[in-house]
Amino acid sequence: AQKITQTQPGMFVQEKEAVTLDCTYDTSDPSYGLFWYKQPSSGEMIFLIYQGSYDQQNATEGRYSLNFQKARKSANLVISASQLGDSAMYFCAMRDTGRRALTFGSGTRLQVQP
Amino acid sequence: GAGVSQTPSNKVTEKGKYVELRCDPISGHTALYWYRQSLGQGPEFLIYFQGTGAADDSGLPNDRFFAVRPEGSVSTLKIQRTERGDSAVYLCASSFTGTSGPFQNEQFFGPGTRLTVL
Repeated sequence: AQKITQTQPGMFVQEKEAVTLDCTYDTSDPSYGLFWYKQPSSGEMIFLIYQGSYDQQNATEGRYSLNFQKARKSANLVISASQLGDSAMYFCAMRDTGRRALTFGSGTRLQVQP
Repeated sequence: GAGVSQTPSNKVTEKGKYVELRCDPISGHTALYWYRQSLGQGPEFLIYFQGTGAADDSGLPNDRFFAVRPEGSVSTLKIQRTERGDSAVYLCASSFTGTSGPFQNEQFFGPGTRLTVL
């Protein structure tokens, strides 16, 4: 069975600073994908970044990067140059072979302070 | 609009009643997913459709929950004999089923339906 653990219920960061949101996962499948989603107060889930288990390089999308450490089963999200609009809930999720459904963690609430 | 739409945005019902929640996916997306998000938690998978058929319904909590997608586009999640514990936000997502590999095909989410069972 898959499991995603996000141990930080809440995080604060100063505007323009970088922040790391932690995510660890557990799966017995050698092939899997890892995702990060942002959920603002409006409720809609917004896809941020994807990392495949066989990808050699860490994924990056603009100010978002994924620090993928396969041996440690961690997939931390790094947001550089935080903006006030980054304040939201952030969810880590995974999907493994043969199953299209996503398994989500419990989320981290990020608050960016001016 | 071009995104996933869900109706109603809010639904208040009484315990024991029947409810239907509708999802209209992005045009051309063959895959459709339903998730349930309880307060303070991440979304939990309910059911996945590929075309008209339910390819994975392992997340449905019990037989009070049922979903259909008769023409491979719009889907309806049906909940019978609602219970207070069914109160949650019900999220719908859709995606392509592409040939670029099994792990991409980003899921696009709708705004959700907030169901409150009194």
